[in-house]
Amino acid sequence: DAGVTQSPTHLIKTRGQHVTLRCSPISGHKSVSWYQQVLGQGPQFIFQYYEKEERGRGNFPDRFSARQFPNYSSELNVNALLLGDSALYLCASSVGQINEKLFFGSGTQLSVL
Amino acid sequence: AQSVTQPDIHITVSEGASLELRCNYSYGATPYLFWYVQSPGQGLQLLLKYFSGDTLVQGIKGFEAEFKRSQSSFNLRKPSVHWSDAAEYFCAVGETGGYNKLIFGAGTRLAVHP
Repeated sequence: DAGVTQSPTHLIKTRGQHVTLRCSPISGHKSVSWYQQVLGQGPQFIFQYYEKEERGRGNFPDRFSARQFPNYSSELNVNALLLGDSALYLCASSVGQINEKLFFGSGTQLSVL
Repeated sequence: AQSVTQPDIHITVSEGASLELRCNYSYGATPYLFWYVQSPGQGLQLLLKYFSGDTLVQGIKGFEAEFKRSQSSFNLRKPSVHWSDAAEYFCAVGETGGYNKLIFGAGTRLAVHP
């Protein structure tokens, strides 16, 4: 079975632009979570979606948004990019909503110039 | 607020030596604890998890961790390190509240000398 897949793997944007990152969960997994990992730090929780509804949100500005589609894939959108948004964005999927083992993708490396 | 502290930013060990990576957490209730490993350019792979029960948890790749409530610690151990263990290791606590949120420490980068 395929693992969690994310696209693109690398992305370069300029300040003020917007970006869309995509994630396909493991087949059968209904929950997708997004994390931001800044260089030298641990991942920080951005969102969790389960059954197409937002179930949790981390301490991120409204420029960050996400959605989950009927096939359980997900998109993370970031508007008005700032230099500080440069990071590795990780997607994780799980079968259920809470206290579940998370399976992580390899991430999308976003560079904002 | 919940938090995770990994006191060691960088650790170097010789191949075949034993390893212990430290993790301290701050959490009001019984925590759900995890150790993940991240190789360069890769996502995170779960090594082991503690939810309840036996405080000594066995994981993949020969790793184990011990939950000590009195010390608020969940240290990761391996009796004999292999060169392929060189990576970054993250300790995390699962926050309850109806959703699957992990709070990660800043990580410990492990280097292995031949």
